[in-house]
Amino acid sequence: EVQLVESGGGLVQPGGSLRLSCAASGFTFSNFYMSWVRQAPGKALEWVSATSGSGISTYYADSVKGRLTTSRANSKNTLYLQMNSLRVEDTAMYYCAKGFPGVPAAGVFENWGQGTLVTVSS
Amino acid sequence: EIVMTQSPATLSVSPGERATLSCRASQSVTSSLAWYQQKPGQAPRLLIYGASTRATGIPDRFSGSGSGTEFTLTISRLQSEDFAVYYCQQYNNWPPITFGQGTRLEIK
Repeated sequence: EVQLVESGGGLVQPGGSLRLSCAASGFTFSNFYMSWVRQAPGKALEWVSATSGSGISTYYADSVKGRLTTSRANSKNTLYLQMNSLRVEDTAMYYCAKGFPGVPAAGVFENWGQGTLVTVSS
Repeated sequence: EIVMTQSPATLSVSPGERATLSCRASQSVTSSLAWYQQKPGQAPRLLIYGASTRATGIPDRFSGSGSGTEFTLTISRLQSEDFAVYYCQQYNNWPPITFGQGTRLEIK
């Protein structure tokens, strides 16, 4: 059974940093694209970033480019999101999601974690 | 960036009836369109991909149709557990992957 478990969320001041983690199990982690998707309170889903199975290719939404960095440690079956220069508008539930095999199907999110809440506030 | 527009924002339907949700893309996404269901406090769940293929374990009362720029999610014989928010999402030409703003399906 595929399991994705996010952690690392919390309250941070504007301009601060946070690192989220997503522990994966139940599948061969290195074979799949992984994405981060966020949802501000009461708002729609917003794709944040995606990284290939090897981690060589990583893509970002314009809204986070240069501030958020996705990486992965395949030896640990873990996905990361390093969040720097945080803004109030980054406040959201952050989900990690596993894509289908291949591209562009990697953009279909078959499995989701339960999410971790990031609150940016002074 | 491909903009996804869903209508209506809120849909009120009685249990046992049929619900029809629409999604429009600002340019063709061929059949690279997925639908997700989200209940309060839960992560989204994949319902449909490839515009019309049901994901594993999704009951056949959920069906998707369309291609290009116009798509429809139909839920027949609505059950109480179907009342939720539904999102469409394109994955034809990414990055970025883009979602619609959601349709809230509520009990009439």
